[in-house]
Amino acid sequence: AQKVTQAQTEISVVEKEDVTLDCVYETRDTTYYLFWYKQPPSGELVFLIRRNSFDEQNEISGRYSWNFQKSTSSFNFTITASQVVDSAVYFCALSEAYNNNDMRFGAGTRLTVKP
Amino acid sequence: DAGVIQSPRHEVTEMGQEVTLRCKPISGHDYLFWYRQTMMRGLELLIYFNNNVPIDDSGMPEDRFSAKMPNASFSTLKIQPSEPRDSAVYFCASSPDLTTKDETQYFGPGTRLLVL
Repeated sequence: AQKVTQAQTEISVVEKEDVTLDCVYETRDTTYYLFWYKQPPSGELVFLIRRNSFDEQNEISGRYSWNFQKSTSSFNFTITASQVVDSAVYFCALSEAYNNNDMRFGAGTRLTVKP
Repeated sequence: DAGVIQSPRHEVTEMGQEVTLRCKPISGHDYLFWYRQTMMRGLELLIYFNNNVPIDDSGMPEDRFSAKMPNASFSTLKIQPSEPRDSAVYFCASSPDLTTKDETQYFGPGTRLLVL
């Protein structure tokens, strides 16, 4: 079965610092999807990005960027010039094509951005 | 379009009582998912439906848990009888038909359940 590891339990940075959240995954499937979700203190889960296994292009969206590397089974998330509003728990998730509704989440990384 | 709607947002009940959580998926989505989030176990998939039919309920912890989807716009997750260890945040999510090539699951705001 698929597995997602977010080794960083908590990260604390000062505003304007760059921060990278790591995500390592395991899967036997050649076709799969990777996701990042944000869970702010209010508790809802907010979708950030989806990547399929055939698209290794890195993506940038404003201050957010994602680095997908199949060679290392990683899908890391970088926030540039962090802001206090970025404080949240960030979850990486994986679903496999043969069973792409069984999405497995990592344990999450709690990011605290201090002013 | 409104997102996934869940009710109630908060529920406090006593052990042994029946609890019913409700979810309205995004209109047009064919898949509906129930998740549970706890500090100990993180986010766990409990059950999901496709076109109102339960597909995989292997994540349902015990027979005390049951879920139904009587129509495309409504689902319930019921716990009977509830126990303190059921205290968690329960999320409902929905996703479009797979033919749209969008496997993204869109989450509701969650129901925070506390069983005393």
